[in-house]
Amino acid sequence: EAEVAQSPRYKITEKSQAVAFWCDPISGHATLYWYRQILGQGPELLVQFQDESVVDDSQLPKDRFSAERLKGVDSTLKIQPAELGDSAMYLCASSLRRRSSNTEAFFGQGTRLTVV
Amino acid sequence: DQQVKQNSPSLSVQEGRISILNCDYTNSMFDYFLWYKKYPAEGPTFLISISSIKDKNEDGRFTVFLNKSAKHLSLHIVPSQPGDSAVYFCAASGGNQGGKLIFGQGTELSVKP
Repeated sequence: EAEVAQSPRYKITEKSQAVAFWCDPISGHATLYWYRQILGQGPELLVQFQDESVVDDSQLPKDRFSAERLKGVDSTLKIQPAELGDSAMYLCASSLRRRSSNTEAFFGQGTRLTVV
Repeated sequence: DQQVKQNSPSLSVQEGRISILNCDYTNSMFDYFLWYKKYPAEGPTFLISISSIKDKNEDGRFTVFLNKSAKHLSLHIVPSQPGDSAVYFCAASGGNQGGKLIFGQGTELSVKP
C-alpha cells in the first residue's frame, strides 16, 4: 500500500539551530501539505503545494520557516533558527486533489520535533 | 476563529456499545468533511468522508452523519472495540479554503473492555 514517507521520525535540536524535515508523497499526488500539530490541538496548515507551486503559505512563519518542492515530488521544510515554541509534531500529507475536486489527504508518520 | 469545533475533549464507552463523536462548523461554504483517527506518535489515518450533497455515509462499523442546517456532523462507531481507542479529528474543506483541511481540536475516545 502506498504511503507518505517522512524523515526523521524524531528530532531533538538546540534553540537557534537549523532543522530540516523531508517528505515523499504518494506517487502521483499533486497536492502536498505540511501541517503542524501541537499536543492537545488539531493539525494546522503551514504550507500547501500544488505540484511545485505554493498555493497557501499564509500561516507559515516566513521569518524562520521555509518550504520547497522543487520538482513537484518530494518536499523539504526547514526551520532556522529553531525556537522553543517550535516543539511539535510536523506532519506531511498528500492528495490527488487538483483544482476544485475534493479528495481525502493521506498523512505520513510525522516528525516529532523537540527544541531544547 | 475556530471554524471547526469538537467540544468534547474525551469520551469513554464500553466495548460493544456505540461511540458518537460530534463536530460543529461555522463556515457554510465547507462542502467536504472527513474524519481521521490518530494514535500517539503517529500521523492521522483517514477513516471516512462525506460530501455536502449527502447526509449519511457508511463504511463498515463507521457511519458519518451530516446536518447542514445545523452545521453539525457526527461519527458513529458500532460496535466499539478497544482498538478504536485513539484521538479522532474531524476536518472540513471547500469553499474559499482552496483545498486545505481545517481540523477540529480532537476527541480522545477510550473504549473499555
